[in-house]
Amino acid sequence: SQQGEEDPQALSIQEGENATMNCSYKTSINNLQWYRQNSGRGLVHLILIRSNEREKHSGRLRVTLDTSKKSSSLLITASRAADTASYFCATDLSGGSNYKLTFGKGTLLTVNP
Amino acid sequence: GAVVSQHPSRVICKSGTSVKIECRSLDFQATTMFWYRQFPKQSLMLMATSNEGSKATYEQGVEKDKFLINHASLTLSTLTVTSAHPEDSSFYICSARGTGGIQHFGDGTRLSIL
Repeated sequence: SQQGEEDPQALSIQEGENATMNCSYKTSINNLQWYRQNSGRGLVHLILIRSNEREKHSGRLRVTLDTSKKSSSLLITASRAADTASYFCATDLSGGSNYKLTFGKGTLLTVNP
Repeated sequence: GAVVSQHPSRVICKSGTSVKIECRSLDFQATTMFWYRQFPKQSLMLMATSNEGSKATYEQGVEKDKFLINHASLTLSTLTVTSAHPEDSSFYICSARGTGGIQHFGDGTRLSIL
């Protein structure tokens, strides 16, 4: 199956609640990144976590990485209607000249006002 | 922050037409750009890696003669879909490699072939 698979595929919550999305991958990585995509638009980079890091924060975002389980999670706290989007994890396998990102299938987050 | 501009945002054309999509890095130099294809409610599929001054590297299963990529400068890469057919209809997105392995994306091009 595919490198970088998120679950759940879709998540619907109320404003103010926290949203947690998970990502699993299969091979060793250099880093793992999370991106956000609003409908019909390009992707926006949210956060990067390196293979030697376990947790990272950016505003209302918290990302964890467990390399032993080959998994990562993205937590959005105190969600807002404007957080409604698709969220993708992406793995960088190379760290070098063969750099490219492999994207998961994404989680569609809907935050209801 | 780094900005990537993709043009046009929407194309509707007849079958057999060739369509060119431009991807520009506006405030930084991008030696490497990427072209993706995305089907509705699905992930991004990498089509090719565009390297400035050299030939693009295509992913397995992507036809080089069908999807022509040119990266003639440090700020511009183009994707030309040649003799487009309805099955080529899709959302095409470009990105440019920034510092630290982050990619900066354009807003995508919705291609509809009639």
